[in-house]
This record gives sequence, structure tokens and C-alpha cells, in this order.
Amino acid sequence: DGGITQSPKYLFRKEGQNVTLSCEQNLNHDAMYWYRQDPGQGLRLIYYSQIVNDFQKGDIAEGYSVSREKKESFPLTVTSAQKNPTAFYLCASSIGLAVMDEQFFGPGTRLTVL
Amino acid sequence: DAKTTQPNSMESNEEEPVHLPCNHSTISGTDYIHWYRQLPSQGPEYVIHGLTSNVNNRMASLAIAEDRKSSTLILHRATLRDAAVYYCILRDVLSSGTYKYIFGTGTRLKVLA
Repeated sequence: DGGITQSPKYLFRKEGQNVTLSCEQNLNHDAMYWYRQDPGQGLRLIYYSQIVNDFQKGDIAEGYSVSREKKESFPLTVTSAQKNPTAFYLCASSIGLAVMDEQFFGPGTRLTVL
Repeated sequence: DAKTTQPNSMESNEEEPVHLPCNHSTISGTDYIHWYRQLPSQGPEYVIHGLTSNVNNRMASLAIAEDRKSSTLILHRATLRDAAVYYCILRDVLSSGTYKYIFGTGTRLKVLA
């Protein structure tokens, strides 16, 4: 089955620790995205990548970092610099970044900072 | 940023049609209108998109006003599995020349058995 996987589904971390969220896709898509969703809110773009070894900041990149060493993988690190990291994190991919391209979303990782 | 306005919540009876409205008065001529939905604790899934003409697919229909300042997502027969948050989304151009979605808070659809 083609799709996007995110792991883990639930993640707990202590304040001040860095944590990395995994995102893998086997759709052969060039573009990948990370979003953050807070309760009752829409999604906000953290980072996006058009192609391997390239990524760009979205609207709320502060306190986050990403890498894109392989086409199928786009891990997100939530650093200790992120002031309010507790949220639902969603990864998505699309064929490209054209206006028509549908985005496919993963199931999400719910991060809780204790 | 191009923005959309949707009612916070709507209710529908099972097996009845549902019309979910969206206002996008600042839409530009090249903006496509996208609809996604999000079931509880899941990622959003694509529903439909359109530019000017009405669109149909297996999930829904999209009716776009002639002036394109509003649109309506139509679920022809609501089922309990259609209970979700529905997002009406426009794209915005990024500095890199590519695009991003602008998500609002969406409409929470409740389907009554």
C-alpha cells in the first residue's frame, strides 16, 4: 500500500529535550511538508521541501529543524528552543508544489511535553 | 494572504444532503478552491477542488459562484462516517514561487443518526 507513515503516534518528552518525529512516504513524491495543529485550530506550515537536500521555512519554523537526505524521508526535530511544543504534528507529501497538486497526509504524531 | 470564512459547525441528519458554505471574497483569478476533511485524530484527506466550473467526484460536488467569491461543498447523502471538520482552502504563493495551503478553522459537521 502506498502512503505516508508517521511514528510514533504518541510521544512524550520532558521539557528541554529535543525530539525527532519520523515521516516516511512511498508515493515517490518530490514535495514534503510538516504542519502543526493546535486544538480547535487549522494547520500551520512549519517546513516544506521541494526536492532532496532542499527545504524551506514555513510560517512557524522557529524552534524546529528538518532534513531531507532521502526522497522518501523528511524527519522533523522539535528543539528545546520551541516554547510551546505540545501539539499534533502532521506530515504530508505531494507530487510537486504546483497549484493543482493534492497533498496526502500521514496519521499524525501527538507530542506532549511534560 | 487569501482567506476563507466558514461556519464553525453544522448538523445534518443521516441520509440527507449537506451543503457546506465557504466565502473567499479576496480570491484571485488563478486561485483554485480546495476542500479537505479531517476525521478525529487523523490527518486531513482530499475531497475535491475546482477553479470556475462546478465539479463532481465520488465523494462530493463543488458548486462555485459565478463571481468565485463563494463556494459550496455538497455531500449528497450524509453518513455517520462523514462527520469531520471540513476545510475550504485557498493556496498562497510563497517567496520561492511555490505554493502553500492556508488552513482556517473549518466547519465541524455533525451527522445525526
